[in-house]
Amino acid sequence: NAGVTQTPKFRVLKTGQSMTLLCAQDMNHEYMYWYRQDPGMGLRLIHYSVGEGTTAKGEVPDGYNVSRLKKQNFLLGLESAAPSQTSVYFCASSFQRGFGDEQFFGPGTRLTVL
Amino acid sequence: KNQVEQSPQSLIILEGKNCTLQCNYTVSPFSNLRWYKQDTGRGPVSLTIMTFSENTKSNGRYTATLDADTKQSSLHITASQLSDSASYICVVSALNQAGTALIFGKGTTLSVSS
Repeated sequence: NAGVTQTPKFRVLKTGQSMTLLCAQDMNHEYMYWYRQDPGMGLRLIHYSVGEGTTAKGEVPDGYNVSRLKKQNFLLGLESAAPSQTSVYFCASSFQRGFGDEQFFGPGTRLTVL
Repeated sequence: KNQVEQSPQSLIILEGKNCTLQCNYTVSPFSNLRWYKQDTGRGPVSLTIMTFSENTKSNGRYTATLDADTKQSSLHITASQLSDSASYICVVSALNQAGTALIFGKGTTLSVSS
């Protein structure tokens, strides 16, 4: 099993550009999450999904959109990137019990917005 | 407000020495507490989980303790190795009306030197 994979690993954008980060998991998990991690701060939840076709806002959703068209994939989109979105983005997934259950994290995507 | 505070922020120890990392939380109602290890450039990986009724949980050279009365947890690392160099994140689950929420600490960065 590959676990949780993320693409791309690195990306540099100019302000105003758009991009999509892809997260895939092969563990048949119901719950999937997108976090951002900034220096000196804990992981912050952007959006999450409790199952195929569902999405919900987390702690810092502004400027991001997500989609969960397939159970194994969770996409994070930036429609108009801003320098404040420079961060490391982590995707995670967990079993049906949700947030209280162990979350399995991907390797991260390092995004720089110039 | 639900918060998780970790100390120290960073720590440097010699290989073979023991160390203890601290986690204080003000989370209610409490569900469980996890310690994650995050290697540089990687996603976090769960080390231990403890519920309200558990005082101690071990995973190899890692031993976590929980005092639910004082709302404190510690992670003790025995006979440290160079591979223990990482960030250690305390994560507390809280039950709320929407289900369960995760509150992440900012982490303690541990450097083990030879």
